[in-house]
Amino acid sequence: GEDVEQSLFLSVREGDSSVINCTYTDSSSTYLYWYKQEPGAGLQLLTYIFSNMDMKQDQRLTVLLNKKDKHLSLRIADTQTGDSAIYFCAEEEGGYQKVTFGTGTKLQVIP
Amino acid sequence: DADVTQTPRNRITKTGKRIMLECSQTKGHDRMYWYRQDPGLGLRLIYYSFDVKDINKGEISDGYSVSRQAQAKFSLSLESAIPNQTALYFCATTASGNSYNEQFFGPGTRLTVL
Repeated sequence: GEDVEQSLFLSVREGDSSVINCTYTDSSSTYLYWYKQEPGAGLQLLTYIFSNMDMKQDQRLTVLLNKKDKHLSLRIADTQTGDSAIYFCAEEEGGYQKVTFGTGTKLQVIP
Repeated sequence: DADVTQTPRNRITKTGKRIMLECSQTKGHDRMYWYRQDPGLGLRLIYYSFDVKDINKGEISDGYSVSRQAQAKFSLSLESAIPNQTALYFCATTASGNSYNEQFFGPGTRLTVL
């Protein structure tokens, strides 16, 4: 099966940028996703990128995709305390609508 | 009202007991999933169903079974619970036919097996 790897923990100061990294293994992935899990809640889709794109920007969020290295990153500009959560990257097997989630990165924002 | 609900939210049980976790959705989605979350392991897929008559095993189906009673309901059973099934369980739904696959998650069920 596919493995989606992330570092487990990231700590940043409020106002700084956060960069969360992810590596995946399925070269046929059509979409790659970032989900956010706030404490005590389920996951919510934050953003996604189609595999033929290199970058996607949405307000404070920037997603970068390097297909050659199978590397995905999420940059959060001007990180706020409300951004404290676990962030999961996920890849979708082409055509199957079955998604493999990564191990999750816990982002701690220090005031 | 929440679109995806799970019951119970918390459950403590003993080894060997049969447990059922229930999931209901009002989103009208045809596809439903069960995941478990463990620290450091992320979310792992247990079972998924693309419609009422379609049930598929995920990567960690051993020790679990499911039932898709209706389009809106998907339950997960542990026939004989064991301590390493202690985890946070999530149900999720998505609609077929979309270009990308946004999954909508329930709030989770925290299961402890003693």
